[in-house]
Amino acid sequence: DTAVSQTPKYLVTQMGNDKSIKCEQNLGHDTMYWYKQDSKKFLKIMFSYNNKELIINETVPNRFSPKSPDKAHLNLHINSLELGDSAVYFCASSRGGSGANVLTFGAGSRLTVL
Amino acid sequence: GENVEQHPSTLSVQEGDSAVIKCTYSDSASNYFPWYKQELGKRPQLIIDIRSNVGEKKDQRIAVTLNKTAKHFSLHITETQPEDSAVYFCAASRRGGTSYGKLTFGQGTILTVHP
Repeated sequence: DTAVSQTPKYLVTQMGNDKSIKCEQNLGHDTMYWYKQDSKKFLKIMFSYNNKELIINETVPNRFSPKSPDKAHLNLHINSLELGDSAVYFCASSRGGSGANVLTFGAGSRLTVL
Repeated sequence: GENVEQHPSTLSVQEGDSAVIKCTYSDSASNYFPWYKQELGKRPQLIIDIRSNVGEKKDQRIAVTLNKTAKHFSLHITETQPEDSAVYFCAASRRGGTSYGKLTFGQGTILTVHP
C-alpha cells in the first residue's frame, strides 16, 4: 500500500488552463503539505494543513487553492496556469506531536505548462 | 524567516571514499535538522535526522553532526557505494506556532559515486 499517493503523476497542459492534483495519505497523519520542486531541484513549502485547517500559506499566488475535505486528503487546484508553474509538486504528510517535522512524501506530480 | 545554505552543490567521489555535505542555518530557534535523499525521478526520503539537544547521530554508514553555536550541521557518508548517488537535501525547522512542521530546505547536493 502506498502511504502518500498523489494523482496524476504527469500533467501536460496549456497556459491559461485550470488543473487539479489530488493527494491521499493512509498513515493516519494529522498534517499534510504541498511542496514545489522547481527545475533547479529547489524544494519549497507552499501550504500545510493540520486536521483540515490551513496552517501555512507561503505567499503563494492566489491562483493556487488547496482544499482539505478531511485530514487524509489534500488537493491542489491551480487556476490560469502560467509557464512558471511548471514544476514537480510533492504532497507530504506528518503526524502530530514530536513527529510533526518528519515528512513522508508522495511520488510527485510533474506539471508541464506549454 | 529561516534560510538554509548547503554546500557543495555537486560532489564527485570514488567508491569507498567518504563524502561530506555541509549546511548552515539562520534561525537560532530551529531545533530539528533532517537529511533527505532523492534519487532521480523519485520522492525525497528521510535518511537521518538530528534534534538540537544532540550533537551527533550515526546510522551505519551515515552520520550527522550539529554545531548549534555556529549554526551548522553536516552529513557524513563513509565507504560510499554507487547506490549512494543521488541528490541530498538538508533542512531545518522548529516546532510550534505558525512554523508547525515547516521544513526549509537547502539547495541540494548532487552526489556522484564512481565505481
